[in-house]
Amino acid sequence: DAGVTQSPTHLIKTRGQQVTLRCSPKSGHDTVSWYQQALGQGPQFIFQYYEEEERQRGNFPDRFSGHQFPNYSSELNVNALLLGDSALYLCASSLTPTYEQYFGPGTRLTVT
Amino acid sequence: GQQVMQIPQYQHVQEGEDFTTYCNSSTTLSNIQWYKQRPGGHPVFLIQLVKSGEVKKQKRLTFQFGEAKKNSSLHITATQTTDVGTYFCAVPGAGGTSYGKLTFGQGTILTVHP
Repeated sequence: DAGVTQSPTHLIKTRGQQVTLRCSPKSGHDTVSWYQQALGQGPQFIFQYYEEEERQRGNFPDRFSGHQFPNYSSELNVNALLLGDSALYLCASSLTPTYEQYFGPGTRLTVT
Repeated sequence: GQQVMQIPQYQHVQEGEDFTTYCNSSTTLSNIQWYKQRPGGHPVFLIQLVKSGEVKKQKRLTFQFGEAKKNSSLHITATQTTDVGTYFCAVPGAGGTSYGKLTFGQGTILTVHP
């Protein structure tokens, strides 16, 4: 049984560019959440997708957007990248209604 | 939104010593979760506590939820080098619409010297 997978593993972008990160949830899970984890910090909730709709959103600007596909996989898009967007981006899936989150290995984004 | 304070930020122990990390909230929590993140890894779910005064054990790990459901602790007995990592508590957002919106504590970084 595959766990949560994310791609790519690492990414280097230039300030002002746009990036798309991808996530496939654990088999049987229909809810996907995205988190940003800066170095030395706990994960910060970006948003959550369920039934192809954004259900919850954290304190992140509109430059951060996402999508969930019918097969429950998800994308995180970040426009107009800033240096401060450099972080580990974690995708987590869960089996509604439980809160238990299964995290993927993350995508390390570096903005130069 | 929900906030949770986690202490200490760092803990260095000799192998075999005990370790405890604490999480405190100013508001009553519906539940609290604990995660472990190994260096270079991703958070891994350890446990969820729901009931007031609940105590759960996983081998050498003991998790407690306060009577007022405002604080929680994770205690590791006789640490081993495999316990190295950052331990996070995480709490859900308030209200039914915040389902699944977890707020993580700052984490406690545990190092174990052999």
